[in-house]
Amino acid sequence: QTVVTQEPSLTVSPGGTVTLTCASSTGAVTSGYYPNWFQQKPGQAPRALIYSTSNKHSWTPARFSGSLLGGKAALTLSGVQPEDEAEYYCLLYYGGARVFGTGTKVTVL
Amino acid sequence: EVQLLESGGGLVQPGGSLRLSCAASGFTFSSYAMSWVRQAPGKGLEWVSAISGSGGSTYYADSVKGRFTISRDNSKNTLYLQMNSLRAEDTAVYYCAREPLGYYYDSSGYGYYYYMDVWGKGTTVTVSS
Repeated sequence: QTVVTQEPSLTVSPGGTVTLTCASSTGAVTSGYYPNWFQQKPGQAPRALIYSTSNKHSWTPARFSGSLLGGKAALTLSGVQPEDEAEYYCLLYYGGARVFGTGTKVTVL
Repeated sequence: EVQLLESGGGLVQPGGSLRLSCAASGFTFSSYAMSWVRQAPGKGLEWVSAISGSGGSTYYADSVKGRFTISRDNSKNTLYLQMNSLRAEDTAVYYCAREPLGYYYDSSGYGYYYYMDVWGKGTTVTVSS
């Protein structure tokens, strides 16, 4: 069974920068896994932020960016705002199967 | 406006069945793959199943294979999830999500990939006696 692992929690100061990562139990994450990133706030449905590693949706704030870093997919938040406090999930595509990451709780403090 | 609206959730006994629906509006439904994603109380997101735009290809997570069936009616702009032999661990909020196609070109030629963009608000399924 494939497991996609993220940091359980990260804390960042307002205006700071934080990078979340997404690792696959099958090996290095490459662009061929088409990493997606989602933000979820309590009581809300997830909201898509990034697709295919680094592409932003029309509604994605400019301070969010995606990349590959050291064999993992990465989501970087620059100039963090209080409203960025949320749970963040990555999603990887394994052929027809999709697997979500374990999620990272980002606290803005 | 692009919208997805799930329905059909409720309380069901272990071993029972339920059919979820996801009504789509604001886009050409048949042009998009669709997925079901669930979230157990206090837990993370779990992908459940996906279906191509034509309905000709379907995919399932191991946890639901053989028990759940995904389908779609493009004439009604509706996605379905038939859930049989339900277990307590199937208790979750079930979301439907739209999956557009993206295209790329590299040294191997043209290719395509799926990604998720729009999500519904979810419907709650509780499996309990």
